[in-house]
Amino acid sequence: GAVVSQHPSWVICKSGTSVKIECRSLDFQATTMFWYRQFPKQSLMLMATSNEGSKATYEQGVEKDKFLINHASLTLSTLTVTSAHPEDSSFYICSANRGNSPLHFGNGTRLTVT
Amino acid sequence: AQSVTQLGSHVSVSEGALVLLRCNYSSSVPPYLFWYVQYPNQGLQLLLKYTTGATLVKGINGFEAEFKKSETSFHLTKPSAHMSDAAEYFCAVSSSYNTDKLIFGTGTRLQVFP
Repeated sequence: GAVVSQHPSWVICKSGTSVKIECRSLDFQATTMFWYRQFPKQSLMLMATSNEGSKATYEQGVEKDKFLINHASLTLSTLTVTSAHPEDSSFYICSANRGNSPLHFGNGTRLTVT
Repeated sequence: AQSVTQLGSHVSVSEGALVLLRCNYSSSVPPYLFWYVQYPNQGLQLLLKYTTGATLVKGINGFEAEFKKSETSFHLTKPSAHMSDAAEYFCAVSSSYNTDKLIFGTGTRLQVFP
């Protein structure tokens, strides 16, 4: 069964609004979660590493003020796309490491900004 | 630095035919290598991984991959394709020192014809 739950699976919002995406680890604690972005027919690009109880680590070129990450508990990380614009439309995927296992991925969130 | 190159963005095979998806990597440190499968609008599911030890790795759904250090390759194969294998396949690399940070290839879309 799924070990990482992502919500919502899809969302449509108007330009200028903010959208929050949740990533939950089920049945295990994840001190670190990862947020990826995937453009159509392209690969996954790591956006940031979410660290429980501390600031997220952003990859080069990712605007930290645009993509707010909060990892307030050991089972939940959130990604908020602030003041969304059409170019932010994408597929966002989170992942978490369950002990020594490879990363487990959520089912992704398709964001469409109109 | 690490990188992954997947040769062929699209591969088409007939049902029952051999599947071969190519992946070459670049890594300055001992690599960990992964193959993931992604179905439309879903997250990624791990097919198999190579960390250390046996270079021929067997995964789920009849897939296997062989780590060839001399060729810096980790090609994915399946002896007989099934219609349900149609999906996007991603090769990924991480280092043995930071196994959580995955670098993905651009993906290969596998089509299976009856």
